[in-house]
Amino acid sequence: KAGVTQTPRYLIKTRGQQVTLSCSPISGHRSVSWYQQTPGQGLQFLFEYFSETQRNKGNFPGRFSGRQFSNSRSEMNVSTLELGDSALYLCASSSSALSSYNEQFFGPGTRLTVL
Amino acid sequence: DQQVKQNSPSLSVQEGRISILNCDYTNSMFDYFLWYKKYPAEGPTFLISISSIKDKNEDGRFTVFLNKSAKHLSLHIVPSQPGDSAVYFCAAIPYSGAGSYQLTFGKGTKLSVIP
Repeated sequence: KAGVTQTPRYLIKTRGQQVTLSCSPISGHRSVSWYQQTPGQGLQFLFEYFSETQRNKGNFPGRFSGRQFSNSRSEMNVSTLELGDSALYLCASSSSALSSYNEQFFGPGTRLTVL
Repeated sequence: DQQVKQNSPSLSVQEGRISILNCDYTNSMFDYFLWYKKYPAEGPTFLISISSIKDKNEDGRFTVFLNKSAKHLSLHIVPSQPGDSAVYFCAAIPYSGAGSYQLTFGKGTKLSVIP
């Protein structure tokens, strides 16, 4: 079974630009979560999507948004980029069986550098 | 305010000995706990989890212990191997009843196993 894939793997943008990152979950997984990893803050939850609906959201400004498509693929968008948005953005998928907790499987991440 | 804390940024252990990684949490609503291992340039890999109704879970060389009254969990690796050298993240999920999968992570402990 193929793992979680994220594209692109590396991205360089300048302040003020916007960026879109893509995530394809493991086949059959319907829940997709996004996390930001920075050296100072560690791994922080951005949002989670399930069946094309945002089910949960972390404490990030509205510049960070996302969506999920009918095939469970997800995109996240960051508008008006700031230097502090430089980070590793990780996507995780889960089978999301409602009767129990399920571990999340992470992709390799997209390394975003804002200059 | 950090709800999941890993107070040791790094740990060095001799090959064959026991590695003990610690994690403390403050949120009483956390219901499920997970450990992830992360190599550079890769996403975190799920290792082992424990539900709040248990105090121990074992999987091969890995054992997680949960002390709810102390809001403390630990990961034991026995025996430690050089391939275990990585950053280990502790994570927690609050009870929501609706299948939400918002992981709150600690900042990680870098384990070095010396041959």
